[in-house]
Amino acid sequence: EAQVTQNPRYLITVTGKKLTVTCSQNMNHEYMSWYRQDPGLGLRQIYYSMNVEVTDKGDVPEGYKVSRKEKRNFPLILESPSPNQTSLYFCASSPGQNIYGYTFGSGTRLTVV
Amino acid sequence: AQSVTQLDSHVSVSEGTPVLLRCNYSSSYSPSLFWYVQHPNKGLQLLLKYTSAATLVKGINGFEAEFKKSETSFHLTKPSAHMSDAAEYFCVVSDQKTGFQKLVFGTGTRLLVSP
Repeated sequence: EAQVTQNPRYLITVTGKKLTVTCSQNMNHEYMSWYRQDPGLGLRQIYYSMNVEVTDKGDVPEGYKVSRKEKRNFPLILESPSPNQTSLYFCASSPGQNIYGYTFGSGTRLTVV
Repeated sequence: AQSVTQLDSHVSVSEGTPVLLRCNYSSSYSPSLFWYVQHPNKGLQLLLKYTSAATLVKGINGFEAEFKKSETSFHLTKPSAHMSDAAEYFCVVSDQKTGFQKLVFGTGTRLLVSP
């Protein structure tokens, strides 16, 4: 089944403790992206990648890092999480042409205390 | 810069009645427009998309949307609501200037369906 898989689904952590949220897609898509969803704000793009080793900042990149060492994986790294990063995170992938839209993962709900 | 405005944060309908979720967009270039649906505790699912072909776009589950350039609108409709349609709906825009990797989301419309 074609899908985007995120792990974990739920995570509670403490301020300052580094964490990684993994994202993997099995559709050989070139484009991958991370979003955060907050009430009343919709989804905002954190980082995106157009191909292996090609990444760029989205609208809200502060406090996050990403890497794209292989096509299928696009992990999101929080080096020193803070409570304002408590949110619902989505990974998404696309073949790279606009006509296809994006396929989204099921989300990771992160709480930083 | 491109932007999306969803005109209603909540819409309530009765089962069997029509659904209208309103979306206005702003884009300096030929936009691509999407509607996504998010059911509780689920990811986002693509309902339909407009990418400069036919202006009336049909999607899954009986939903459709019409691209109206003169009104800069892309409203989502369904003739008859079903209980399973209760969810949050997002209107999304991207354009050739910003690049296809950039999606701009509206703030969402929560659809409530009563029996």
